[in-house]
Amino acid sequence: EAAVTQSPRNKVAVTGGKVTLSCNQTNNHNNMYWYRQDTGHGLRLIHYSYGAGSTEKGDIPDGYKASRPSQENFSLILELATPSQTSVYFCASGDWGQDTQYFGPGTRLLVL
Amino acid sequence: GQQVQQSPSSLVLQEGENAELQCNFSSTATQLQWFYQSPGGSLVSLLSNPSGTKHTGRLTSTTVTKERRSSLHISSSQTTDSGTYLCATSSNTDKVVFGTGTRLQVSP
Repeated sequence: EAAVTQSPRNKVAVTGGKVTLSCNQTNNHNNMYWYRQDTGHGLRLIHYSYGAGSTEKGDIPDGYKASRPSQENFSLILELATPSQTSVYFCASGDWGQDTQYFGPGTRLLVL
Repeated sequence: GQQVQQSPSSLVLQEGENAELQCNFSSTATQLQWFYQSPGGSLVSLLSNPSGTKHTGRLTSTTVTKERRSSLHISSSQTTDSGTYLCATSSNTDKVVFGTGTRLQVSP
């Protein structure tokens, strides 16, 4: 069974603090994605990766960094968290445009 | 940039009725995908259909690329179909753009 896991599932951070969201997939997919979901905006692509060592900017990359140290792991890093980054973050792996795209359960981030 | 509009924004059905969801996009898309988000928030890819008609189970998607629209037909709806259906497109010039979804509620 293909699986994508995220940690933490919930996070409260302070403004200016550093936040790291982690994603792990056991699907052996080359492509991985980070999205955020906000009411009224739907899902928006932050960063994506084609494989280990690769990170690419999505539609809203400002304020976020990404790291893909291995095929399985893809992290999203908020160096200086701001309240506007309060959101639900989803990681996914798979080929966009194919049926084989699997999402993690999401991480709820609250920045105070 | 690309804009994706979904209609209706919400839909209430009785179990057994069919649902027709629409997705319209402003620019040419090379990829189009439908997703389901459960009331609990989990996301599932339903199918990818950049053009033509595609079936999977009780779902049928028809995309008319020239008219920049796609539909998702759910036959014989079940209470477990309740949730939000998202349409998303991608193209060579635009990255992934999601619509804000159609919230479906199926009553027993």
